[in-house]
Amino acid sequence: KNQVEQSPQSLIILEGKNCTLQCNYTVSPFSNLRWYKQDTGRGPVSLTIMTFSENTKSNGRYTATLDADTKQSSLHITASQLSDSASYICVVSGRGFKTIFGAGTRLFVKA
Amino acid sequence: DAGVTQSPTHLIKTRGQQVTLRCSPKSGHDTVSWYQQALGQGPQFIFQYYEEEERQRGNFPDRFSGHQFPNYSSELNVNALLLGDSALYLCASSGDRVDRRANTFGSGTRLTVV
Repeated sequence: KNQVEQSPQSLIILEGKNCTLQCNYTVSPFSNLRWYKQDTGRGPVSLTIMTFSENTKSNGRYTATLDADTKQSSLHITASQLSDSASYICVVSGRGFKTIFGAGTRLFVKA
Repeated sequence: DAGVTQSPTHLIKTRGQQVTLRCSPKSGHDTVSWYQQALGQGPQFIFQYYEEEERQRGNFPDRFSGHQFPNYSSELNVNALLLGDSALYLCASSGDRVDRRANTFGSGTRLTVV
């Protein structure tokens, strides 16, 4: 069964701290993995996209890693800001247009 | 360059009614996908339209139907609304020449069924 599981469900950190979000998947055959940021009541915004051959991709303070062998990905946020408070969604696409969304990790950054 | 635009932004309907949601894709995109996102959950894929035809469908009943027009815009129709249909409905477009898979999402339509 194709699944995408994210952890933790929610996370509270202090402004300026770093954090890491996890994504495990069983989608096969694998095509690409994307991380999105979704503010409350808004549509998701793409942060990174990685294919099978890529194991790291950065976008400013966001760095995503991918281990296609263990089917795991992480999103690392450095020097967090209040505006980082949002849901972070891991999306895995298989070949043949199959796309599975994770339930997301809800991040709260406190001053 | 306009991104994906959805209308209306908010909508309140009564059980049993029908609703139509609209989506205009990002300029240069020819594929439109629709998603349902319940509160606190990730988006669930409803269906995808390309060349005015439904190309792929998720696990949603026939009450959910759609259409794509020659200008690539799309509509999502839901008949016989249930309370459980209350959700944020997201439209995403893709088909960029650089990366056909890259999705751009709209801000969504918040549907409340009472």
